[in-house]
Amino acid sequence: KQEVTQIPAALSVPEGENLVLNCSFTDSAIYNLQWFRQDPGKGLTSLLLIQSSQREQTSGRLNASLDKSSGRSTLYIAASQPGDSATYLCAVLSSNTGKLIFGQGTTLQVKP
Amino acid sequence: GAGVSQSPSNKVTEKGKDVELRCDPISGHTALYWYRQSLGQGLEFLIYFQGNSAPDKSGLPSDRFSAERTGGSVSTLTIQRTQQEDSAVYLCASSTGTGYGYTFGSGTRLTVV
Repeated sequence: KQEVTQIPAALSVPEGENLVLNCSFTDSAIYNLQWFRQDPGKGLTSLLLIQSSQREQTSGRLNASLDKSSGRSTLYIAASQPGDSATYLCAVLSSNTGKLIFGQGTTLQVKP
Repeated sequence: GAGVSQSPSNKVTEKGKDVELRCDPISGHTALYWYRQSLGQGLEFLIYFQGNSAPDKSGLPSDRFSAERTGGSVSTLTIQRTQQEDSAVYLCASSTGTGYGYTFGSGTRLTVV
C-alpha cells in the first residue's frame, strides 16, 4: 500500500530564507508526483508536476526534485516571502491503482 | 470552463437530511476524483472516475455516500441521512487522464448541525 509522508509537519522561517520541504513515498510504482499549495479555507493550487521519468521541475522560486528509486521528493523554495505562507501538499499518482495519494502536508509560516 | 467548478461553496444542513454536491470538471477531462478533508486532517480519497470505466468506489466511507458522473462530465456526490461526522470540505479534481496532473476545485464546505 502506497504511503506518503511529509516532513516537517510545520515550519516557521524568517523572510528571505531558502528552505526545503521533504516528501517520501513507499512504493516507487508511480506515474508522477505533484506538489500543491493550500491556503486556509481554500482549495488546492498545483505548483509543480514531475513525471516519473524526470528528475526535477522548476517554476520561478520553486524547484522540485524526484528520486523515484529512493522514494523521495523535495520542494525547494528560494528567498521565501510572507506570501509563501500556506500548507504544501505532496501527492503521488500510483501506477498500480491509478489513485492520487496525498501526504499530510507541511504548514509553512514565513515571518516578515 | 477554465477551471474545476464546485457548487455550492458552502452548505449547512440538518442531521438526517440528504445533500448533493456538484462538480463541473474542466471540459475534456476524462478523470475525476472526489476527496474529503476534515478539519485539520489530510485529504481522504472517496471515489475515482476514469472515462467509461467502472468507478473506483473503494474510498466511500459508508453506503450513505454515492456518486455518479453523467455523460462523462458533471459529477454529483450524494450523502444520505447526513451525520455530524460528515462535516468537512469536499474537493473535486479532474485530469486529462492517467499520468497527467490534477486540477482541483475550491471545494464545498459541508456543515451538519
